[in-house]
Amino acid sequence: NAGVTQTPKFRILKIGQSMTLQCAQDMNHNYMYWYRQDPGMGLKLIYYSVGAGITDKGEVPNGYNVSRSTTEDFPLRLELAAPSQTSVYFCASSATTDTQYFGPGTRLTVL
Amino acid sequence: DQQVKQNSPSLSVQEGRISILNCDYTNSMFDYFLWYKKYPAEGPTFLISISSIKDKNEDGRFTVFLNKSAKHLSLHIVPSQPGDSAVYFCAAPDAGGTSYGKLTFGQGTILTVHP
Repeated sequence: NAGVTQTPKFRILKIGQSMTLQCAQDMNHNYMYWYRQDPGMGLKLIYYSVGAGITDKGEVPNGYNVSRSTTEDFPLRLELAAPSQTSVYFCASSATTDTQYFGPGTRLTVL
Repeated sequence: DQQVKQNSPSLSVQEGRISILNCDYTNSMFDYFLWYKKYPAEGPTFLISISSIKDKNEDGRFTVFLNKSAKHLSLHIVPSQPGDSAVYFCAAPDAGGTSYGKLTFGQGTILTVHP
């Protein structure tokens, strides 16, 4: 089991560029989440999904979009990158609504 | 509105001693709490949890205490080891049947255990 995988590990974007952060899990979990962590802060929820085809906004969704076409994959899309989106992004999954398993993160810098 | 707070950004402890990490919450509807541990350049990993029907949960060197009246929980690590050096996050799932496990995290406490 690879668990939760995220690509890329690092990325530098210019203001206004777009990109997709990939997230995949091989545990057949229904619940998947995207968080961002800013320096000195806890993780904040961007979007979540309770199953294929079902997504909803979290606490900080502005500037992001998601899709969930399969149980395994939950990509996060940034359409027009802004410096405020410089952060570390974590994807997580869970079988139930308690323990979540996290990927290693993507460190994104927007210049 | 910070519903889960970890007011100590850092804690330094000698190897073999006890580490006590604290967490306060404001939402009385929270009924389950988790602690996650995070090493640099890795994602958080689940450490231990506690339900609001308990006031203590123990797993090896790790014990979490919950004081509902004070809306306070603490994580005790005894004895502390250098490998415990990491960032520790307290978290709580949104309360209610449609919470879908959405977690609210504290800011984290950096624990350093010196040999």
